[in-house]
This record gives sequence, C-alpha cells and structure tokens, in this order.
Amino acid sequence: DGGITQSPKYLFRKEGQNVTLSCEQNLNHDAMYWYRQDPGQGLRLIYYSQIVNDFQKGDIAEGYSVSREKKESFPLTVTSAQKNPTAFYLCASSIQDRVNEKLFFGSGTQLSVL
Amino acid sequence: AQRVTQPEKLLSVFKGAPVELKCNYSYSGSPELFWYVQYSRQRLQLLLRHISRESIKGFTADLNKGETSFHLKKPFAQEEDSAMYYCAPGGGNKLTFGTGTQLKVEL
Repeated sequence: DGGITQSPKYLFRKEGQNVTLSCEQNLNHDAMYWYRQDPGQGLRLIYYSQIVNDFQKGDIAEGYSVSREKKESFPLTVTSAQKNPTAFYLCASSIQDRVNEKLFFGSGTQLSVL
Repeated sequence: AQRVTQPEKLLSVFKGAPVELKCNYSYSGSPELFWYVQYSRQRLQLLLRHISRESIKGFTADLNKGETSFHLKKPFAQEEDSAMYYCAPGGGNKLTFGTGTQLKVEL
C-alpha cells in the first residue's frame, strides 16, 4: 500500500526536551516537506528536501531540524529552542520539487507540550 | 510577500445550491494555482490545479489575473462535498496555503 506514513499520531513534549517526528514514504518521491498547522491558520512550510542529503529552510525553520539520509525518510526534530511547539505537523512529498507537481500528504502528528 | 486570503472560515449551503469558495492571492510572478481538500477523517489531498484546466467532482476554478482571484465553484452542492478547502498559490517549495474554508452542505 503506497503512501506517506507519519508517526506517532500524538506526541507530548516536556519543557526543554527534543522530540522527533517520523515521516516515511514509499512513493519513490524525490521531494519531501514538513508543514506546521495552527488553529485558524494555513499550513506553513518548515523545511523541505529536494533530494537525498540536501534540505532547505522554509518560512519557519527556527527551532526545528531535519535530516534526509534516505530517499524514503525525512524526520523532523522539534528542539527545545522552539518555544511554541504545540501544533499539528504535516509531512508531504512530491515526485519532484516542481511548480505544478501535486503534494501527497501524511495523516499528521499532533504535538502538545506537557 | 506572498499572501492568500480565503475570507470565509465557514460556508454553509443547502444540497443542490451553487457553491463558491473565494480565494484571493498576492504573489510575485505568475504562480500556479491549486485547491486542496480535506474530507472528514481523510488526508489533505489535491482537488484541482489551474494548469490542468480540469473539473474534479463537479468543481471548477477560474483564474482571474486582474482580480488575482481563483474562486472554486460548483453549480449544485452535494452532501459529500462537505470538507475543508484550501487555496494554494505557488508551486513546489513555494506553495502558500490559505487558512481554509469549511464547507458544510446541509440537507
């Protein structure tokens, strides 16, 4: 069954703790993206990767880090430097990072601060 | 700065009535235009894109460059159209999502 898998579905973070959100795809897509969604706001781009071992900052990268060691995996770490981490996080992928390519989305991870 | 406005947070219509979900954008250059949809308990997915000039599930979207609008329309709403709709100008890593409009189709 092809698609994008995000885990966990719910995640809780303590103050000062780093947490990592998983995103795996078996669509053989080159490009992967992380978005953050807050209530009443649209999706905002955190990081994106066009190819393995390369990634770029999006609009709100501060307090986050990523890696792209494998084509199918693009984990997002929410560091302690992110002061307002509570949000819904969506991972997406596309065949390539081109202007008319459609995005395929995961089911999301809800991160909350304890 | 890139900006997209979806003025209605919630749009409620009766089944069989016409639907228009508004989208206005401010974008440098000539962006590609997309509408994404999220049905209840499903993932966010592409509904249609301007470049394809397509009609999906009876929805169409007309690009008005003069008004910088890309409104989504359907002549006769169906119950299964109830969902959250996002307008998104841009493309690739430059995609900008609006805040979304919740469409509720009532019987």
